[in-house]
This record gives sequence, structure tokens and C-alpha cells, in this order.
Amino acid sequence: DAGITQSPRHKVTETGTPVTLRCHQTENHRYMYWYRQDPGHGLRLIHYSYGVKDTDKGEVSDGYSVSRSKTEDFLLTLESATSSQTSVYFCAISDTADSGNTIYFGEGSWLTVV
Amino acid sequence: GQSLEQPSEVTAVEGAIVQINCTYQTSGFYGLSWYQQHDGGAPTFLSYNALDGLEETGRFSSFLSRSDSYGYLLLQELQMKDSASYFCAVLSGGFQKLVFGTGTRLLVSP
Repeated sequence: DAGITQSPRHKVTETGTPVTLRCHQTENHRYMYWYRQDPGHGLRLIHYSYGVKDTDKGEVSDGYSVSRSKTEDFLLTLESATSSQTSVYFCAISDTADSGNTIYFGEGSWLTVV
Repeated sequence: GQSLEQPSEVTAVEGAIVQINCTYQTSGFYGLSWYQQHDGGAPTFLSYNALDGLEETGRFSSFLSRSDSYGYLLLQELQMKDSASYFCAVLSGGFQKLVFGTGTRLLVSP
């Protein structure tokens, strides 16, 4: 199994509060991603990183920010959580930029915004 | 934009063969991937096709036709443990950003 740890694994928070999800990898992979998964939508890319301090937006980035100060850590922050952000969040990592067979996912973080 | 279409659900019995189709529209196509996800689990990689043709890995095979923007995942000798959701995903945009379909739920019955 790829060395990816997501924390927290489960969280319930109130609308309007900030939330940070952490993804930690031990593989020294360059590329890291945050996806959210919702019924009927599959997995949708929120933000991704192609190196320390290098990040960019995915297809559903509104309401989210990310930071990557170290190779091994990629943080996803919901500045002010809303009920529409209730979802399962998956971190993923990769060590190549042009192959579709080297992306590994973490176990997911279940976030409920009440 | 990019879009992928796959059936929402497929049912089959143990020992049978099932094919899950995926059609896609995307720019800058690099390849088609397939992922398996059991309930409550993480997506795990199954196969990747960058070129036309069939790729075989054990009981699973994947096919791609770039001219038809179409691919499929073929699962043979189905087992109960194959009950899961299967996602096709395209690699596009000049960077390894996977865009996923909405998934096909496979139910294998005895």
C-alpha cells in the first residue's frame, strides 16, 4: 500500500467554521491531489500540487484552499464550511506527470457539515 | 470541457463475464484508466490504456479505441469480491489530472 495518511478520517463540524484536512505521504512523490466524492458525481478534483509551494485549481476549487510547505504534506482548508461541502475527501499522490497508472489514493476523510 | 459516460449499474452472476463501457469527450487526451472502489474504501488502480487495443491483467482486461473515444473494462470469471464500483478516468490537460466518470456499480450475485 502507498504510504498515504489522511487526517482526520471522520469529522463533524458546524457551518461557518474553518476545517483543515491533512494528507501526509511517505513516498516522496512530487504530485499530490485532493478529490471529493459525492453520489452521482464520481470523484472531482479540487486542487493539486506539482511541488512544494506549487499548487493549482481543479474543477471544483471554490470554497477551498490548499498549501504545501513540505513534499510530504498537502493541506486542504475549508475557510468557512458549508453544508454543500459535506463529502468524502480523498488525497492522492503520483510520481509522474504523464502516466495514468501511478496515482494512489488515501483512505478518505468523511466530513459532515451541520 | 471533459465528460465521461458509463452505465450506473450492472448486475451479473458469479463466473460470468461483464463489460463496462465508457465513452469520453476530452481535449488533449493522454489515456484511459480504470479504478475499482469497494464501499467505504479508496479507489485502487486497475488498468491504463494509452494506445488502441486490449490490455490484459489476469481476469481483467481493458480496451481503448481513441478514434471512437470509447473504452471498456472486461471482467471475467466474476467473483463475489468483484462487487464494487468501477470508474473510468481520462488523463488530459498536459498534466496528470485524472477526470473521472460517475462510476458503474457492479453487483455480483451467487
